[in-house]
Amino acid sequence: TQLLEQSPQFLSIQEGENLTVYCNSSSVFSSLQWYRQEPGEGPVLLVTVVTGGEVKKLKRLTFQFGDARKDSSLHITAAQPGDTGLYLCAGEAGTYKYIFGTGTRLKVLA
Amino acid sequence: EAGVAQSPRYKIIEKRQSVAFWCNPISGHATLYWYQQILGQGPKLLIQFQNNGVVDDSQLPKDRFSAERLKGVDSTLKIQPAKLEDSAVYLCASSLYINLAKNIQYFGAGTRLSVL
Repeated sequence: TQLLEQSPQFLSIQEGENLTVYCNSSSVFSSLQWYRQEPGEGPVLLVTVVTGGEVKKLKRLTFQFGDARKDSSLHITAAQPGDTGLYLCAGEAGTYKYIFGTGTRLKVLA
Repeated sequence: EAGVAQSPRYKIIEKRQSVAFWCNPISGHATLYWYQQILGQGPKLLIQFQNNGVVDDSQLPKDRFSAERLKGVDSTLKIQPAKLEDSAVYLCASSLYINLAKNIQYFGAGTRLSVL
């Protein structure tokens, strides 16, 4: 069974701080996606990484795919209250099939 | 472009009752997914359709859950009979697969089910 473990599970930080969220598995994935979900809404895609070692930046968010395509990280620089939400990684485990991680709930305090 | 529509938004039922959820995907999206998301956890794939055919239903509890996608468009997910542990948000998503880097799942807002 393919599993994606995220850490930390919860994170509460002050505005302006930096943070990193990790997504780890023992399985290899064809691609890995990061989503953000706000209360009462469905997840919204932030980024897709495909190549081992790939780094993508989206404003203050930096995403990295591990060389072996088994893990990924999300780094947020100078967090803002608008970054608050549930962050989910999802690995492509088959034809169009995705396995979601356990989730990291982030709260950024003003 | 209209998003993924789901209804109802909320449903409260007693255990052993039946319930059905409806999903209307984005027009032209061939792939449709149903996920179960228990509070505070990541979504778990229940079933995946490609047009009107089932691609993966390995995690669907088939003794009580059923799903169909008639004509490759709308889809319904049914639970009969419901158990307390079925309390969760049921998310529908659709996608138009282009390639690994460009596949985007668009999610509906979900149906929050409470089983009492």
